[in-house]
Amino acid sequence: DQQVKQNSPSLSVQEGRISILNCDYTNSMFDYFLWYKKYPAEGPTFLISISSIKDKNEDGRFTVFLNKSAKHLSLHIVPSQPGDSAVYFCAASGLAGTASKLTFGTGTRLQVTL
Amino acid sequence: SQTIHQWPATLVQPVGSPLSLECTVEGTSNPNLYWYRQAAGRGLQLLFYSVGIGQISSEVPQNLSASRPQDRQFILSSKKLLLSDSGFYLCAWNAVAYEQYFGPGTRLTVT
Repeated sequence: DQQVKQNSPSLSVQEGRISILNCDYTNSMFDYFLWYKKYPAEGPTFLISISSIKDKNEDGRFTVFLNKSAKHLSLHIVPSQPGDSAVYFCAASGLAGTASKLTFGTGTRLQVTL
Repeated sequence: SQTIHQWPATLVQPVGSPLSLECTVEGTSNPNLYWYRQAAGRGLQLLFYSVGIGQISSEVPQNLSASRPQDRQFILSSKKLLLSDSGFYLCAWNAVAYEQYFGPGTRLTVT
């Protein structure tokens, strides 16, 4: 059972335009959501996160939106730059004692074209 | 600042051979440590996590095991590798926050 889903395996956006990456989840016990960026043969890099008590979090060009009733979150990148080309993973967290267990989606490959 | 190391970076092993992957974290004490695997075309799957020395929780039953012999050292092992163990193995750490920080990964190919 895939609890975190990224239904778009790939996305192509022109430089300077907005990139919107989507993520859906099924487990209502998730209370924290994160986005990671990953280049080939490297570990994921943390980008931005949002608590379930908020509906928006912004950090520079990156904004994450959370719609709890729809169990949906999205990452907006404005403006998109060629260096943003990578695979983006959303992740959801549920606590296990003092550790945070992350459940990841399958990723969306973003290609920013000139 | 904190740094996380993994080695080796790449590994090619025959089926049935043993495995030992190592992860160490610098610049922090008593971190939570995690092992993930990314199979080809898949997301990251949590394999093990540890909240302290000798404390290991397993998420997926399989022929892999993990150990934490020191505070900032996390080891992933197998006695006999299967073809299905091929993948990209990632170690991660965090402290009190939800965000986890990942190492560079090990690419394992079982032949």
